[in-house]
Order: sequence, then C-alpha cells, then structure tokens
Amino acid sequence: AQKITQTQPGMFVQEKEAVTLDCTYDTSDPSYGLFWYKQPSSGEMIFLIYQGSYDQQNATEGRYSLNFQKARKSANLVISASQLGDSAMYFCAMRAPLLTGANSKLTFGKGITLSVRP
Amino acid sequence: SAVISQKPSRDICQRGTSLTIQCQVDSQVTMMFWYRQQPGQSLTLIATANQGSEATYESGFVIDKFPISRPNLTFSTLTVSNMSPEDSSIYLCSVEGTSGRYNEQFFGPGTRLTVL
Repeated sequence: AQKITQTQPGMFVQEKEAVTLDCTYDTSDPSYGLFWYKQPSSGEMIFLIYQGSYDQQNATEGRYSLNFQKARKSANLVISASQLGDSAMYFCAMRAPLLTGANSKLTFGKGITLSVRP
Repeated sequence: SAVISQKPSRDICQRGTSLTIQCQVDSQVTMMFWYRQQPGQSLTLIATANQGSEATYESGFVIDKFPISRPNLTFSTLTVSNMSPEDSSIYLCSVEGTSGRYNEQFFGPGTRLTVL
C-alpha cells in the first residue's frame, strides 16, 4: 500500500525567504511519481511540480524545486523567494505504480498550511 | 494541460436530497476521477470513471450513494444521493494529462457542498 506522510504543523515564512515543506512516502513499487499541489482558500488544486522515481535530477519549476532523496523516501518541496500569494495548503501526493489508467490513482498526504508574513 | 470546469461551483442542500455535479474537460480523456475533500482533510478518491463502462469505486464508496455517469470522453457527472451533513465536502473532478513527458493529473475548480 502507498502512504504519504506530511507531519509539519502550520508553517510560517517571511516574505522573500525560502521555505521547505516536508513529505515522506512509502511504496514497494520501484516506479512511482511524486506530485505537489497547492490549494488556496478557493479550493482549487493547482499542480506545482512532479518527480519521477527514475528521474536523475531533482525537479524544478520556477520558484519551486523538489529535494528528492530516494534512499530516505523523502520528497520535500522548496519554495524560494516566498510571496504573499503562496499562502495556501500544500499537498504531497504519489502515484504508484506509475501507470496511466484505472490503477493510477493519486494518494494524498494530509497537507501542510503555509502562511507567508509580509 | 487540460482545462476542467465543474458545475455548480457551490451549493447548499437540504438533508435527504440529491445533487448532481457536472465535470467538463476541454479535451478527450480516457479516465476521469472523482475525489472528495471533507473539511480540513485531505483528498480521497471516490471512483474512477471510464467512458462506456461502470465506474470503479474505492473502498468505502458505493454506487447507490455516489452514482457516476460518463457518457463521452469529455464529460462526467457525480451524484451525491440522499445527502446528510457528513457529505458536506469539496468534490473535485480530475483527469490525467497527455503531455507525454511525465504523468500529470489536473483538477477542476471543485464543487463546495454544504448539507444542512
């Protein structure tokens, strides 16, 4: 069974600083994908970044980067130069095995609330 | 990326009634997924909808409570039947992307349901 763990309580960061949101995972599948989503108060789920288990390099998308440590089964999201608009709930999710179709559902962590202070 | 719309965006319903939520995608997709997010909680998959066949439900969810239709490759509906206050949640439709570079999964804006 797949499991995603996000244990940090609410996180606070000063505007323009960097922040790391933790995510650990557990799966027995060698092929898997890790996703991060942002959910503002409006409720929509915004895709941020993806890391495949076989990707050689850590994923980056603009101000978002993923610190992927496969041996430790962690996939922490790093947000650089925080902005007020980054205040939201952040979810880590995993798809394992990495297949499209009916068996490729996402398993989500509980989420982390990030608040950016001006 | 896929553009997904949902109707209604929010609703307040009375106990015992039913609500049908619509999900429209701007491109043809094989699988559509319905998730539920209860207040302050994470997302839980309700079912997977494949065009032309019965939806596949996750443990804890049944067709009588959450009937799903998938009449074509761009549209699906989820009905929340005989509602109770415990059904108050955000319901999200989701589809896989087709970029080819990596697997993506996109979500609609959600339907915020309150049951009184």
